[in-house]
Amino acid sequence: DTEVTQTPKHLVMGMTNKKSLKCEQHMGHRAMYWYKQKAKKPPELMFVYSYEKLSINESVPSRFSPECPNSSLLNLHLHALQPEDSALYLCASSQEGDGETQYFGPGTRLLVL
Amino acid sequence: AQKVTQAQTEISVVEKEDVTLDCVYETRDTTYYLFWYKQPPSGELVFLIRRNSFDEQNEISGRYSWNFQKSTSSFNFTITASQVVDSAVYFCALRRAGGTSYGKLTFGQGTILTVHP
Repeated sequence: DTEVTQTPKHLVMGMTNKKSLKCEQHMGHRAMYWYKQKAKKPPELMFVYSYEKLSINESVPSRFSPECPNSSLLNLHLHALQPEDSALYLCASSQEGDGETQYFGPGTRLLVL
Repeated sequence: AQKVTQAQTEISVVEKEDVTLDCVYETRDTTYYLFWYKQPPSGELVFLIRRNSFDEQNEISGRYSWNFQKSTSSFNFTITASQVVDSAVYFCALRRAGGTSYGKLTFGQGTILTVHP
């Protein structure tokens, strides 16, 4: 089973709101990722967690705050976003190891008004 | 620095035609991994294939086939007898060898494939 789930599927929020995106996998993967994808562009890596510890932060603004409560869950907390943050947010997971394949979830389409 | 180039921005074919999506990469690493993903309109990136740099064997999976040529730094993807359900954006991606700390995927810009009935 190569399933990664994400909730919600769609999210509309104002610039003063606080919201969270959730990602879950039950494949026993120990690495989890957040990507941001703008329309007609490839995904851009935001964060990587390995064994529940943040291992890569691609200089993402602090209004995005990741959290990995356990090995199956990954959250992305959003606060004071800007309209340019509107995008598809994709979560992925993989085994920890050399060249392991990343499996992606269906994404959350975020619109910031 | 690593780079992936998918020179074909958009391809349009009629059902049952064969179509090849090109992917050229640049890396100074001797060991690396190449991937193809499909992204249908629903948004999810669907994994299609992974190839490591020391395995140049071509692969066929049903109507899909991949041609990896290290000499030309290319990893091309062919769909035989295309179907409307193949319509999607296809991404080629490159990853360095190593654990998750090296796990960043370098994506190409993607090729939009439209298959007309």
